[in-house]
Amino acid sequence: DADVTQTPRNRITKTGKRIMLECSQTKGHDRMYWYRQDPGLGLRLIYYSFDVKDINKGEISDGYSVSRQAQAKFSLSLESAIPNQTALYFCATSDFGGGGYTFGSGTRLTVV
Amino acid sequence: AQSVTQLGSHVSVSEGALVLLRCNYSSSVPPYLFWYVQYPNQGLQLLLKYTSAATLVKGINGFEAEFKKSETSFHLTKPSAHMSDAAEYFCAVTSNSGGGADGLTFGKGTHLIIQP
Repeated sequence: DADVTQTPRNRITKTGKRIMLECSQTKGHDRMYWYRQDPGLGLRLIYYSFDVKDINKGEISDGYSVSRQAQAKFSLSLESAIPNQTALYFCATSDFGGGGYTFGSGTRLTVV
Repeated sequence: AQSVTQLGSHVSVSEGALVLLRCNYSSSVPPYLFWYVQYPNQGLQLLLKYTSAATLVKGINGFEAEFKKSETSFHLTKPSAHMSDAAEYFCAVTSNSGGGADGLTFGKGTHLIIQP
C-alpha cells in the first residue's frame, strides 16, 4: 500500500457542486499539505496542518476548505466548484526537520 | 517569504549530452532545497535534497546538484542524458528554521526534452 493515498484518482464534477478530496497516510507524520498543480505554474500550497487542531492557509486558499479528521487523514473540500478549480491536486506529508516530504499520486479534478 | 525561479520552461538536449537545469532561490533564512521529477501522468518523485550537509548532493538516476549560497543557486545536472529522463522537473525550497513546517515553495517547472 502507498504511504500517502489520495481518493479519488480522477473526478469530473459540475459547476456549483460540492466535492471532497481525501488523503490518508501511513507515514505517522504530523504535518500534512494540499497543493494544486496547473500547467506552467508548478505546485501551489492551498492549506497545511501541523496537527488536528492546527490548520493554516496557504498561498491560494480562497474557494477551498479543509478538515483534519485524525493525524492520518486530511480532506480538501470545494464548497461550490468552479471551472477555474480544474487542476491536479496533491496531498503531502512531512516529518519534523523538513527533509522528508512524501507525496500522494494526485487527484485529477475537472469542473465542467 | 521564499521563491524559486527555474530558468527555461523547456530544455532540449541530445541523448548522451549533459543535462543542466537551472534553479535559483530566494530565502531570508537557511534553506532546504529539493528537486522533484514528474513523469507523464504520474506523481512527484524526489530526485535529491539539500538539508545543510554536503553542498554537492547526489540523487537517483545519476542526477546531482550543487548548493551555492553565494549564487543562491541549486542547479541540477546529469553527465549523460537518457531518453528515459524526459519529464517535468521541479525545484522547491523550504526553510530549515522550524523544520520546514510551512511547506515547499515550488518553481514553475522545466520540461526536459531528449532528442535521439
